[in-house]
Amino acid sequence: SQQGEEDPQALSIQEGENATMNCSYKTSINNLQWYRQNSGRGLVHLILIRSNEREKHSGRLRVTLDTSKKSSSLLITASRAADTASYFCATVYNDYKLSFGAGTTVTVRA
Amino acid sequence: GAVVSQHPSWVICKSGTSVKIECRSLDFQATTMFWYRQFPKQSLMLMATSNEGSKATYEQGVEKDKFLINHASLTLSTLTVTSAHPEDSSFYICSAPPRWGSQETQYFGPGTRLLVL
Repeated sequence: SQQGEEDPQALSIQEGENATMNCSYKTSINNLQWYRQNSGRGLVHLILIRSNEREKHSGRLRVTLDTSKKSSSLLITASRAADTASYFCATVYNDYKLSFGAGTTVTVRA
Repeated sequence: GAVVSQHPSWVICKSGTSVKIECRSLDFQATTMFWYRQFPKQSLMLMATSNEGSKATYEQGVEKDKFLINHASLTLSTLTVTSAHPEDSSFYICSAPPRWGSQETQYFGPGTRLLVL
C-alpha cells in the first residue's frame, strides 16, 4: 500500500463542533485528495491539495498538507448531521491510480 | 459534475454462480475505469484497471480468471465475478477519471453490494 494511517478511526462530535482527522502517506506525491463516503454509497470528491500547497479551503472544509512530515489533515467546521460519513484521504501512484487511507468515521450528534 | 452509474446496486446470488456488474460513465468518455472492493468498515482496495480496447491490468493478488473485466466501449466497463463464493461478498465500486492519465479527481459510482449465499 502507498498509504499509511488515518486517525482517529472514529470520531463522534456534537452538531456545531469542529471535526479534525489526519492522514499520513508513505511516498512523495503530486497531490492528495479527500473523499467522503456516506454509508453504503460511493465516494464523493471533497477537495484536492497539490504538493506545493500548504493549506486549502472549500466552504466549511480546510485541508492542510505537510510534505516534510508526509501528512495531511481535514478540518470540518461547524459540523452538521449531514456530515456524518466516512472520510478517506487518497494519493496517486503509478501516475493515475488512487491509494486510500483506512478512513475516519465521523458521527455528528444532533 | 460527471456522473458514474453502477448496476445493479445490490445482488444476492447462490454460491457457484456468476454475477455481472456494470459501470457506466453517463456524461463523459472514460478510456480507463477502476474497480475497487471494500469490505465492511475497511478502506477501498484497488482490484484492477479497466482499459478500453485492451486487456485489464490486475493488482497483485487479484485473480484475473475470477474477476473478468471487459471495457466494451468508452462509457461501459463490466466486472464479472465468476463462480462466486461467500468470501466474494463485498461492496464493489468503480471509478473513472475525467480523462486518461488524470491525477486529478476521480468520479465514483454508487457501488454494488454483492452477497453470495
